[in-house]
Amino acid sequence: GQNIDQPTEMTATEGAIVQINCTYQTSGFNGLFWYQQHAGEAPTFLSYNVLDGLEEKGRFSSFLSRSKGYSYLLLKELQMKDSASYLCAVLDSNYQLIWGAGTKLIIKP
Amino acid sequence: NAGVTQTPKFRVLKTGQSMTLLCAQDMNHEYMYWYRQDPGMGLRLIHYSVGEGTTAKGEVPDGYNVSRLNKREFSLRLESAAPSQTSVYFCASSWTTGGPEKLFFGSGTQLSVL
Repeated sequence: GQNIDQPTEMTATEGAIVQINCTYQTSGFNGLFWYQQHAGEAPTFLSYNVLDGLEEKGRFSSFLSRSKGYSYLLLKELQMKDSASYLCAVLDSNYQLIWGAGTKLIIKP
Repeated sequence: NAGVTQTPKFRVLKTGQSMTLLCAQDMNHEYMYWYRQDPGMGLRLIHYSVGEGTTAKGEVPDGYNVSRLNKREFSLRLESAAPSQTSVYFCASSWTTGGPEKLFFGSGTQLSVL
Protein backbone atom coordinates (compact mmCIF):
# COMPACT_ATOMS: atom_id res chain seq x y z
CA GLY A 1 0.00 0.00 0.00
CA GLN A 2 0.92 3.63 -0.23
CA ASN A 3 1.92 5.41 2.93
CA ILE A 4 3.11 8.81 4.05
CA ASP A 5 4.28 9.37 7.60
CA GLN A 6 4.64 12.66 9.43
CA PRO A 7 4.79 13.45 13.13
CA THR A 8 1.36 14.31 14.47
CA GLU A 9 2.39 17.38 16.45
CA MET A 10 5.49 19.46 17.12
CA THR A 11 6.16 22.41 19.40
CA ALA A 12 8.77 25.11 18.84
CA THR A 13 9.69 28.52 20.17
CA GLU A 14 9.25 31.82 18.39
CA GLY A 15 12.48 32.80 16.62
CA ALA A 16 13.82 29.25 16.55
CA ILE A 17 14.21 26.70 13.74
CA VAL A 18 12.07 23.60 13.28
CA GLN A 19 12.34 20.65 10.91
CA ILE A 20 9.23 18.68 9.96
CA ASN A 21 9.97 15.26 8.51
CA CYS A 22 8.02 13.23 5.97
CA THR A 23 8.74 9.68 4.88
CA TYR A 24 6.89 8.02 2.05
CA GLN A 25 6.33 4.68 0.38
CA THR A 26 4.39 5.08 -2.85
CA SER A 27 3.93 3.37 -6.20
CA GLY A 28 6.23 5.57 -8.19
CA PHE A 29 7.22 9.16 -7.60
CA ASN A 30 6.54 12.30 -9.60
CA GLY A 31 7.23 14.92 -6.98
CA LEU A 32 6.57 15.89 -3.39
CA PHE A 33 4.57 18.86 -2.17
CA TRP A 34 4.32 20.72 1.11
CA TYR A 35 1.19 22.66 1.96
CA GLN A 36 0.40 24.87 4.94
CA GLN A 37 -3.05 24.78 6.53
CA HIS A 38 -4.11 27.19 9.26
CA ALA A 39 -6.88 25.96 11.53
CA GLY A 40 -10.27 26.22 9.85
CA GLU A 41 -8.77 27.28 6.55
CA ALA A 42 -7.83 25.73 3.22
CA PRO A 43 -4.38 24.29 2.48
CA THR A 44 -2.05 26.61 0.59
CA PHE A 45 0.97 25.59 -1.48
CA LEU A 46 4.43 25.99 0.03
CA SER A 47 6.88 23.98 -2.07
CA TYR A 48 7.46 21.28 -4.67
CA ASN A 49 10.50 18.99 -4.95
CA VAL A 50 11.15 16.43 -7.66
CA LEU A 51 14.97 16.32 -7.63
CA ASP A 52 17.18 15.47 -4.68
CA GLY A 53 18.44 18.39 -2.69
CA LEU A 54 17.41 21.51 -0.88
CA GLU A 55 15.06 24.19 -2.26
CA GLU A 56 15.11 27.45 -0.35
CA LYS A 57 12.29 29.96 -0.40
CA GLY A 58 12.72 32.73 2.13
CA ARG A 59 12.32 31.41 5.67
CA PHE A 60 11.10 28.05 4.38
CA SER A 61 13.25 25.33 2.79
CA SER A 62 12.31 21.87 1.58
CA PHE A 63 14.65 18.91 1.17
CA LEU A 64 14.19 15.68 -0.76
CA SER A 65 16.04 12.36 -0.85
CA ARG A 66 14.38 10.06 -3.35
CA SER A 67 16.61 7.10 -2.51
CA LYS A 68 15.57 7.31 1.15
CA GLY A 69 11.91 8.19 0.51
CA TYR A 70 12.38 11.19 2.76
CA SER A 71 11.68 14.89 2.80
CA TYR A 72 11.75 17.63 5.37
CA LEU A 73 10.41 21.14 5.63
CA LEU A 74 12.68 23.56 7.48
CA LEU A 75 11.18 26.69 8.97
CA LYS A 76 13.58 29.38 10.20
CA GLU A 77 13.04 32.45 12.38
CA LEU A 78 9.70 31.07 13.52
CA GLN A 79 6.83 33.51 13.90
CA MET A 80 3.56 33.05 15.73
CA LYS A 81 1.74 33.07 12.38
CA ASP A 82 3.62 29.87 11.45
CA SER A 83 1.37 27.98 13.86
CA ALA A 84 -0.48 25.70 11.44
CA SER A 85 -0.61 22.18 10.11
CA TYR A 86 1.93 21.21 7.45
CA LEU A 87 0.82 18.63 4.92
CA CYS A 88 3.19 16.44 2.91
CA ALA A 89 1.85 14.97 -0.34
CA VAL A 90 3.44 12.74 -2.98
CA LEU A 91 2.47 12.53 -6.64
CA ASP A 92 2.54 8.83 -7.50
CA SER A 93 3.14 7.06 -10.82
CA ASN A 94 -0.50 7.64 -11.84
CA TYR A 95 -0.20 11.35 -11.02
CA GLN A 96 -2.51 10.92 -8.04
CA LEU A 97 -1.66 12.90 -4.92
CA ILE A 98 -1.18 10.82 -1.77
CA TRP A 99 -1.49 12.94 1.36
CA GLY A 100 0.02 12.58 4.79
CA ALA A 101 -2.16 13.28 7.83
CA GLY A 102 -0.27 16.50 8.52
CA THR A 103 1.91 17.83 11.31
CA LYS A 104 0.39 20.36 13.68
CA LEU A 105 3.06 22.91 14.58
CA ILE A 106 2.56 24.90 17.78
CA ILE A 107 4.70 28.01 18.25
CA LYS A 108 5.23 29.26 21.78
CA PRO A 109 6.42 32.78 22.67
CA ASN B 1 -9.58 37.61 -7.99
CA ALA B 2 -11.84 35.12 -6.17
CA GLY B 3 -9.89 31.91 -6.97
CA VAL B 4 -11.95 28.91 -5.81
CA THR B 5 -15.33 29.65 -4.26
CA GLN B 6 -17.12 26.93 -2.34
CA THR B 7 -20.59 26.97 -0.76
CA PRO B 8 -21.98 26.47 1.82
CA LYS B 9 -19.40 26.90 4.61
CA PHE B 10 -21.36 24.94 7.19
CA ARG B 11 -24.26 22.53 7.04
CA VAL B 12 -26.01 20.13 9.39
CA LEU B 13 -28.03 17.29 7.89
CA LYS B 14 -30.11 14.48 9.27
CA THR B 15 -29.37 10.95 8.16
CA GLY B 16 -31.01 10.31 4.79
CA GLN B 17 -31.21 13.93 3.70
CA SER B 18 -29.57 15.11 0.50
CA MET B 19 -27.50 18.15 -0.32
CA THR B 20 -25.29 19.61 -3.02
CA LEU B 21 -21.99 21.37 -2.47
CA LEU B 22 -21.08 23.90 -5.12
CA CYS B 23 -17.62 24.88 -6.30
CA ALA B 24 -16.59 27.48 -8.86
CA GLN B 25 -13.15 28.60 -10.00
CA ASP B 26 -12.25 31.65 -12.06
CA MET B 27 -8.70 30.63 -13.05
CA ASN B 28 -9.65 28.76 -16.24
CA HIS B 29 -8.38 25.51 -14.73
CA GLU B 30 -9.07 22.23 -16.48
CA TYR B 31 -8.80 19.98 -13.43
CA MET B 32 -11.16 20.11 -10.46
CA TYR B 33 -11.31 17.90 -7.38
CA TRP B 34 -13.41 17.13 -4.34
CA TYR B 35 -11.60 16.03 -1.19
CA ARG B 36 -12.68 15.18 2.31
CA GLN B 37 -10.54 15.80 5.38
CA ASP B 38 -11.02 13.85 8.58
CA PRO B 39 -9.08 14.14 11.86
CA GLY B 40 -5.90 12.08 11.88
CA MET B 41 -6.13 11.28 8.19
CA GLY B 42 -4.73 12.78 5.04
CA LEU B 43 -6.92 14.46 2.46
CA ARG B 44 -8.81 11.81 0.53
CA LEU B 45 -9.93 12.28 -3.05
CA ILE B 46 -13.64 11.65 -3.64
CA HIS B 47 -14.07 12.45 -7.33
CA TYR B 48 -12.29 14.59 -9.85
CA SER B 49 -12.71 16.02 -13.33
CA VAL B 50 -10.10 16.46 -16.04
CA GLY B 51 -12.21 18.81 -18.12
CA GLU B 52 -15.70 19.97 -18.93
CA GLY B 53 -18.16 17.08 -19.13
CA THR B 54 -15.78 14.55 -17.53
CA THR B 55 -15.75 12.98 -14.09
CA ALA B 56 -13.76 10.17 -12.51
CA LYS B 57 -13.73 8.28 -9.22
CA GLY B 58 -11.12 8.94 -6.61
CA GLU B 59 -10.15 7.00 -3.52
CA VAL B 60 -13.49 7.23 -1.64
CA PRO B 61 -16.31 7.76 -4.18
CA ASP B 62 -19.11 5.69 -2.60
CA GLY B 63 -22.12 7.73 -1.51
CA TYR B 64 -21.18 10.75 -3.61
CA ASN B 65 -22.04 11.97 -7.09
CA VAL B 66 -20.41 14.79 -8.99
CA SER B 67 -21.17 16.90 -12.01
CA ARG B 68 -18.83 19.13 -14.00
CA LEU B 69 -21.44 21.65 -15.03
CA ASN B 70 -19.06 23.68 -17.18
CA LYS B 71 -15.38 24.58 -17.07
CA ARG B 72 -15.87 26.78 -13.99
CA GLU B 73 -18.23 24.72 -11.84
CA PHE B 74 -17.99 21.30 -10.18
CA SER B 75 -20.68 20.09 -7.80
CA LEU B 76 -20.72 17.31 -5.22
CA ARG B 77 -24.01 15.68 -4.23
CA LEU B 78 -24.84 13.50 -1.28
CA GLU B 79 -28.08 11.69 -2.17
CA SER B 80 -28.70 10.09 1.23
CA ALA B 81 -26.36 11.43 3.87
CA ALA B 82 -24.89 9.09 6.50
CA PRO B 83 -23.07 9.92 9.76
CA SER B 84 -19.86 8.52 8.18
CA GLN B 85 -20.00 11.46 5.77
CA THR B 86 -19.48 13.95 8.57
CA SER B 87 -16.29 15.68 7.46
CA VAL B 88 -14.75 18.83 6.06
CA TYR B 89 -15.03 18.95 2.29
CA PHE B 90 -12.64 20.87 0.07
CA CYS B 91 -12.92 21.66 -3.58
CA ALA B 92 -9.68 22.28 -5.46
CA SER B 93 -8.54 23.08 -8.98
CA SER B 94 -5.36 23.02 -11.06
CA TRP B 95 -4.14 23.54 -14.63
CA THR B 96 -3.01 19.92 -15.00
CA THR B 97 -2.32 16.99 -12.74
CA GLY B 98 1.39 16.49 -13.31
CA GLY B 99 4.68 18.04 -12.42
CA PRO B 100 4.88 21.06 -10.17
CA GLU B 101 1.26 21.98 -10.71
CA LYS B 102 -0.12 23.10 -7.38
CA LEU B 103 -3.69 22.85 -6.21
CA PHE B 104 -5.81 25.87 -5.31
CA PHE B 105 -8.35 25.07 -2.63
CA GLY B 106 -11.72 26.50 -1.71
CA SER B 107 -12.37 27.54 1.88
CA GLY B 108 -14.07 24.28 2.81
CA THR B 109 -17.49 23.04 3.91
CA GLN B 110 -17.93 21.65 7.40
CA LEU B 111 -20.69 19.04 7.18
CA SER B 112 -22.26 17.27 10.13
CA VAL B 113 -24.67 14.38 9.58
CA LEU B 114 -26.73 13.50 12.64
